[in-house]
Amino acid sequence: GQQLNQSPQSMFIQEGEDVSMNCTSSSIFNTWLWYKQDPGEGPVLLIALYKAGELTSNGRLTAQFGITRKDSFLNISASIPSDVGIYFCAGRMYSGGGADGLTFGKGTHLIIQP
Amino acid sequence: DTAVSQTPKYLVTQMGNDKSIKCEQNLGHDTMYWYKQDSKKFLKIMFSYNNKELIINETVPNRFSPKSPDKAHLNLHINSLELGDSAVYFCASSRLTTGTGNTIYFGEGSWLTVV
Repeated sequence: GQQLNQSPQSMFIQEGEDVSMNCTSSSIFNTWLWYKQDPGEGPVLLIALYKAGELTSNGRLTAQFGITRKDSFLNISASIPSDVGIYFCAGRMYSGGGADGLTFGKGTHLIIQP
Repeated sequence: DTAVSQTPKYLVTQMGNDKSIKCEQNLGHDTMYWYKQDSKKFLKIMFSYNNKELIINETVPNRFSPKSPDKAHLNLHINSLELGDSAVYFCASSRLTTGTGNTIYFGEGSWLTVV
């Protein structure tokens, strides 16, 4: 099945640093979603993007829906210890009939060193 | 109240057994899903139901049988469990729409270990 290329695969950063991760796809989506998963929990929605070019913020998080509809990035500013976890991008292409569901990237493992 | 709840959270069972995982959503959504997360954390869709009808059935062994008694529930039954079925299974729900608001919300997962 279709997959998204998410990078980087893992990041080791110092507390207070900014973080940037992105996803690219060979096909277009009409929704991009970013999730965070903590150990032992399910993915929790961070930001949802519905229009090409859309730039959306949620606190220290900022995400953009690429103009080509084939990519998205997520930035985290001034990282703190609770930002540790796995971040997933996901694309959804639903056009009114047939198949639905999310295609996920393989995740970015964020590790913060104090 | 938890929006998407699934039970049990942990399940350890022997090979060959049959087990079920239950899922309920109280978000008023019309579409529910089952996803599988493997040991490398990759998430992949297994099934999608809209208004109790199956709309996606990915390449999943027919030992896996979803059942949706109503729009708010989607259960997953697994027959003749195998070691390779060990994984985390996530239930999710959404509204099936082309516009804003078609985000998908996940349950907390069911950790299945087959021994």
